[in-house]
Amino acid sequence: KAGVTQTPRYLIKTRGQQVTLSCSPISGHRSVSWYQQTPGQGLQFLFEYFSETQRNKGNFPGRFSGRQFSNSRSEMNVSTLELGDSALYLCASSLGDETWSGNTIYFGEGSWLTVV
Amino acid sequence: AQKVTQAQTEISVVEKEDVTLDCVYETRDTTYYLFWYKQPPSGELVFLIRRNSFDEQNEISGRYSWNFQKSTSSFNFTITASQVVDSAVYFCALSVFSNDYKLSFGAGTTVTVRA
Repeated sequence: KAGVTQTPRYLIKTRGQQVTLSCSPISGHRSVSWYQQTPGQGLQFLFEYFSETQRNKGNFPGRFSGRQFSNSRSEMNVSTLELGDSALYLCASSLGDETWSGNTIYFGEGSWLTVV
Repeated sequence: AQKVTQAQTEISVVEKEDVTLDCVYETRDTTYYLFWYKQPPSGELVFLIRRNSFDEQNEISGRYSWNFQKSTSSFNFTITASQVVDSAVYFCALSVFSNDYKLSFGAGTTVTVRA
């Protein structure tokens, strides 16, 4: 079955602009999470959504936001882009449950964002 | 807070050699899961293995095996008879009950397998 799909794969934005990244989870998966990967900070958790509700959020400024739709698709938005936002943004999905179950989390190929 | 440490930054081996990747984790939770992921140059994080805190049985899956020891908070991963296609960055990750829905990652270990 199809894996986690992210669009766009590559994009270049100018400082001050905003960007929206999209993610389609594996069919049947209800939990979607986002991670930022940079050479300096490594892989950092942004937020997680389940049934259109944000359940957990990492330590990122309010410029980073996300949402989940009723079909489990998700988008994340970064406003007022800064040079330091250049990174690989990874979306991940899992079955998700009402309570914690340590489901395996599957990742997409990521969106490479460059801010100039 | 949770913490995952991968002390090895880079490992270089010749094809067919075994490679062992070290992972040490910190958590006060007694319920947690540990993972290993592989990241090739394309960027995708590929799931390899998952282990829960209540099962210390070590297993082998194909050329992959792992050694989970709660007493030392270690979750080491071994690739047997390495191949060039194993060249990638490998990440150890932790998910805990008290801070669910997120993975805490180590810094990663870059493995280079030379032909």
